Formats: sequence, C-alpha cells, structure tokens
Amino acid sequence: DAMVIQNPRYQVTQFGKPVTLSCSQTLNHNVMYWYQQKSSQAPKLLFHYYDKDFNNEADTPDNFQSRRPNTSFCFLDIRSPGLGDAAMYLCATSSQSTGIEKLFFGSGTQLSVL
Amino acid sequence: DAKTTQPPSMDCAEGRAANLPCNHSTISGNEYVYWYRQIHSQGPQYIIHGLKNNETNEMASLIITEDRKSSTLILPHATLRDTAVYYCIVRVHEGYQKVTFGTGTKLQVIP
Repeated sequence: DAMVIQNPRYQVTQFGKPVTLSCSQTLNHNVMYWYQQKSSQAPKLLFHYYDKDFNNEADTPDNFQSRRPNTSFCFLDIRSPGLGDAAMYLCATSSQSTGIEKLFFGSGTQLSVL
Repeated sequence: DAKTTQPPSMDCAEGRAANLPCNHSTISGNEYVYWYRQIHSQGPQYIIHGLKNNETNEMASLIITEDRKSSTLILPHATLRDTAVYYCIVRVHEGYQKVTFGTGTKLQVIP
C-alpha cells in the first residue's frame, strides 16, 4: 500500500530541457516536502507546502519551481536542468493532526541529466 | 532545528546489538528526538521518537540521557537488512517546523 508515490522512478533529461517530477499521496497530509539528495549526501530541503502556503528555502535555485494543485499532488519543475541537478529527488508528507509529525517518504525519482 | 552530531560510520556484526549515538547538546525542552533510516536507493523511513523517556517499538529502542543532551538508538539484533544511513533529528511538536537532515551514520552490518 504505497502512501507516497513518486513518478517516474528514473528520469533522464537533456541539459536545459525542462522536466517535471510528480508526487502523490493517499494520506491526506497537509504538509508536503521536496528534498534533493546527491550521492553520499544527506537529503537537502528544497521547499515545502504547509497546506497551500509555499515555503522556499533561501538557497534553493530559481531554476526549481513547485506546484501543488490540490492536497494529494505536488510537482517539482526544473526549468533548465544542468549537470549539477542530477540527483535523487525525494517527496515527503507529514500531518500535524496527530501531534506526532513524522515524515512519510516516497521512493524517490533518480534524475539523470545528459 | 537544534544541531545534532553523529559518527559518520559504524560497523556491527550480524545478530549483535547496534548502538548508534547522537549528540544534541543544544536541544530545547520542547524538542523531541527523532530517528530515521535510509536504505540504499530508497526514501528515509521513520524509526522512533522520544522526548525524555526511553522508548521501544518493533523496530528499535531509544535511550535518551537524563540531561537530554544525547541519545542512543539501539537495534537489538542487527540483520544485514539494517545496513543503512541512520539520521538523528530534533524538532518540536507544537506548531510547524521544517525537517532538515544532518549527515547521519552509515551503519554496515557485517555477516
């Protein structure tokens, strides 16, 4: 029973060609996160949504954008991917309703830039 | 988020207990200690959390020192499937606080 689903699992794009990664959740959680994880590094927070409120990290490049059309879906758009954007992109959700805000992660999308 | 410090790597023999330490000397009174792990090529997975009492669930035990400045995650009988990177995070429950990861500990379980 996958609860946070990321598609596709692997994505190959060309240098400078826009790419969109998707995330969906069946948990009805109000918070959704996007993390970038490069090889042998910890996940790095790019941005998150608290309900509809978008929160961008200060060091997230302008090349990265996000959309959350409804509670269940969230998209990561990379407008002009560079070689340095090759990474695993992780989507996560959380809910404060229980007072225990643990994160649920998807399996990630591995992005390659050629 | 309060800062956490973890050793970069540890080894553990299969079947033995794995004890993973975490220092969080600047933790505030209302901050909880959370542990996650990340198996290779997967998303991180929640393991356990606690405030000041020791906690145990089906995955692990969490021991928090009385002064709350450090904690230890215990995997009582490590298996090869426990080979992963383990992250210790501190955060509040009240209100909203984003989650940032430190460098974690790479645990290698050896046959």
